[in-house]
Amino acid sequence: SQQGEEDPQALSIQEGENATMNCSYKTSINNLQWYRQNSGRGLVHLILIRSNEREKHSGRLRVTLDTSKKSSSLLITASRAADTASYFCATDFWGGGGNKLTFGTGTQLKVEL
Amino acid sequence: DGGITQSPKYLFRKEGQNVTLSCEQNLNHDAMYWYRQDPGQGLRLIYYSQIVNDFQKGDIAEGYSVSREKKESFPLTVTSAQKNPTAFYLCASSIGTGVHEQYFGPGTRLTVT
Repeated sequence: SQQGEEDPQALSIQEGENATMNCSYKTSINNLQWYRQNSGRGLVHLILIRSNEREKHSGRLRVTLDTSKKSSSLLITASRAADTASYFCATDFWGGGGNKLTFGTGTQLKVEL
Repeated sequence: DGGITQSPKYLFRKEGQNVTLSCEQNLNHDAMYWYRQDPGQGLRLIYYSQIVNDFQKGDIAEGYSVSREKKESFPLTVTSAQKNPTAFYLCASSIGTGVHEQYFGPGTRLTVT
């Protein structure tokens, strides 16, 4: 079974608004990563947060990690139409191998003008 | 330019035929991966290789085979034993073991009729 589950499955917002998507997982992890996928394309790495970190920023992205709740959130501030894509969390968990990731089912984000 | 290439972008085959998908990287990465993505779903790991001449099964290896004779190449063969081969196939690579991001190719969409 997949380790990560994103919520919501789909999200539609207006340009300039913030978008928040959540990821929950089941077992202890080494790190959690977020990726973006434009329709029909490969995935692009956005940000990596380690299990001993609580928050990380990269440009308009803010990721939080709560290991006690086994959850993470990705916040995109001041969204743009170009942010329209699917967003996936991926976990690298203990016992799964050093660099083997398990991906969630993704959140489809649509940013409208 | 450094990166991962996959060819072809679209591939059509008749049922019962084996087909090989190409994946090449010039990032000097040790680890390479193959994922399968079905519509509206996340990525599932087929096979991965952490070093040349070595590879391990992922979560859905049945009906697939791989080789890793060169560091830069990790071809995937979809055999006639794969019950439902029509999917989007993604290749990725990472520096190696440990906590690392994965770099993805553009994908190959395989249709078997």
